[in-house]
Amino acid sequence: DTGVSQNPRHKITKRGQNVTFRCDPISEHNRLYWYRQTLGQGPEFLTYFQNEAQLEKSRLLSDRFSAERPKGSFSTLEIQRTEQGDSAMYLCASSAGRGDIGETQYFGPGTRLLVL
Amino acid sequence: QKEVEQNSGPLSVPEGAIASLNCTYSDRGSQSFFWYRQYSGKSPELIMFIYSNGDKEDGRFTAQLNKASQYVSLLIRDSQPSDSATYLCAVKYSSASKIIFGSGTRLSIRP
Repeated sequence: DTGVSQNPRHKITKRGQNVTFRCDPISEHNRLYWYRQTLGQGPEFLTYFQNEAQLEKSRLLSDRFSAERPKGSFSTLEIQRTEQGDSAMYLCASSAGRGDIGETQYFGPGTRLLVL
Repeated sequence: QKEVEQNSGPLSVPEGAIASLNCTYSDRGSQSFFWYRQYSGKSPELIMFIYSNGDKEDGRFTAQLNKASQYVSLLIRDSQPSDSATYLCAVKYSSASKIIFGSGTRLSIRP
């Protein structure tokens, strides 16, 4: 399978615990994006990387959230001191990054987080 | 005001009919427009994108863009029960790489 992969697919944690999610983009894609989606809403942009550089972060990305893409390949998203409001589907997407007008983002299956 | 607006639905359409999904956006600097389909519990999958005024057809799907009215739509011809899903409209601004999603329209195709 050459699509975007995410692990774990599901995570249940207790409030106050730290969690880390991983995303492996399509191999030739140099842009990687993180989104969060809650029930009944569209995905909300969190942050994106061009290779290893984090080029944009949303206001939604509080100090408890950190994302890395150390070698420009896979990325991790960590949430510290989780809160119940963090419960959501966390989606990763990648794109080729050639700057085409129709540059398309391809989504992974998501990680569903439930904070108890 | 939300940047990308969609009617949340549900929109119920009989099998074989045309389903029409609509989306408006607020930023005139928007460059590209995407339609994604999302089944319950799954991630979004791209249907098609459009960036020029007018119509773009791909199989049973037609995207329509009117930049003057800041309006984009998706038509699904010969609707099938498998088309029942949430359809997400997304907009890319010219100066950014991120895309902004609407809240989605739930479409139900009744047999």
